[in-house]
Amino acid sequence: GQNIDQPTEMTATEGAIVQINCTYQTSGFNGLFWYQQHAGEAPTFLSYNVLDGLEEKGRFSSFLSRSKGYSYLLLKELQMKDSASYLCARMDSNYQLIWGAGTKLIIKP
Amino acid sequence: IAGITQAPTSQILAAGRRMTLRCTQDMRHNAMYWYRQDLGLGLRLIHYSNTAGTTGKGEVPDGYSVSRANTDDFPLTLASAVPSQTSVYFCASSDSSVTGELFFGEGSRLTVL
Repeated sequence: GQNIDQPTEMTATEGAIVQINCTYQTSGFNGLFWYQQHAGEAPTFLSYNVLDGLEEKGRFSSFLSRSKGYSYLLLKELQMKDSASYLCARMDSNYQLIWGAGTKLIIKP
Repeated sequence: IAGITQAPTSQILAAGRRMTLRCTQDMRHNAMYWYRQDLGLGLRLIHYSNTAGTTGKGEVPDGYSVSRANTDDFPLTLASAVPSQTSVYFCASSDSSVTGELFFGEGSRLTVL
């Protein structure tokens, strides 16, 4: 994706914790988004960060550091259904989303 | 209809043919978008509409056109399909053009031979 970097693939164990990192271009920044996309399905919204810090939503948390151009998505108590691709996207100065290529997360029992 | 609906779900098309992908939403959202998703690449914006009656070009608009005659419908037309337009196409909507919380349709898988 344009100026959005995230790992292509990660593997984790059921019940564990995994952190998916995302770095982005800091100019013209209007927010950082995470979406989940199961194979063959549409993306669904997970989280939005516009200020620095951690936003917690159940088993999922998202962190943002605007000065570093860095975000991560933290998934706790992993379940098999969390196997999916996780898409990082930043909103630019024109309020358009710029998407990363996604991180495919594989959960093993 | 609940949410956002795309049709067809999949289509195989001969190069040079004209094709329209349909998208309808019942959430009364102002903004609508068309993206394409290709393996190894992020979602790329083709065209968007911030409100009925207006449209704009995204990152990869060439070879595609859209119209937004009303709030609910946002069709995407390929005037003369080429193999490089083989992709999965997603329509999305949001209640405002300045929010990034998008609601996506289930996608249309298009193969151009």
